[in-house]
Amino acid sequence: QKEVEQDPGPLSVPEGAIVSLNCTYSNSAFQYFMWYRQYSRKGPELLMYTYSSGNKEDGRFTAQVDKSSKYISLFIRDSQPSDSATYLCAMSGTGGGNKLTFGTGTQLKVEL
Amino acid sequence: SAVISQKPSRDICQRGTSLTIQCQVDSQVTMMFWYRQQPGQSLTLIATANQGSEATYESGFVIDKFPISRPNLTFSTLTVSNMSPEDSSIYLCSTPGASGRDTQYFGPGTRLTVL
Repeated sequence: QKEVEQDPGPLSVPEGAIVSLNCTYSNSAFQYFMWYRQYSRKGPELLMYTYSSGNKEDGRFTAQVDKSSKYISLFIRDSQPSDSATYLCAMSGTGGGNKLTFGTGTQLKVEL
Repeated sequence: SAVISQKPSRDICQRGTSLTIQCQVDSQVTMMFWYRQQPGQSLTLIATANQGSEATYESGFVIDKFPISRPNLTFSTLTVSNMSPEDSSIYLCSTPGASGRDTQYFGPGTRLTVL
């Protein structure tokens, strides 16, 4: 079993839809949770960062962490074609340069 | 955030040859990371490169296959040696983000195809 599980998609939604992207994990030591966005032929770009459980909102993006269920989510409101990309979840145990464990990424396509 | 560039952006190589990938950062950083991203798989850490010391390799990766140099605080190279088609992948370098966090900033990647 992988430490981090993520549905690879592809996920196709109409413009304006609410998108829900999810990851589950098995390592209870994970405390730092991140979402990266990766456009085709580009490197991953940090989108959201969350420490421990709870919600964090940034514009149209909301990250949720439920440590009791070992489940994290990224919600995108009013999705736009420019949101079409691969979304990678990542997590680690402690702050200060530790190794990140990534999900495989979910490919999202927002259609006009 | 750090601005990271990589050279080459892509290459097609023959089996048995070697390719050196360069990573340049616009600010001084202590740690640099090298990842491999294979189709349908998660980013996998190859090694951590600290300036002035030997790189630390993850399980499954060895120095003979992936030698790394870190001559200064803004530059690193990764060599993929004696390549086979299984080495076809995207190779990414990254640097740590904000202090105390485990965020990382990534370069654009080098897309390698081995024939």
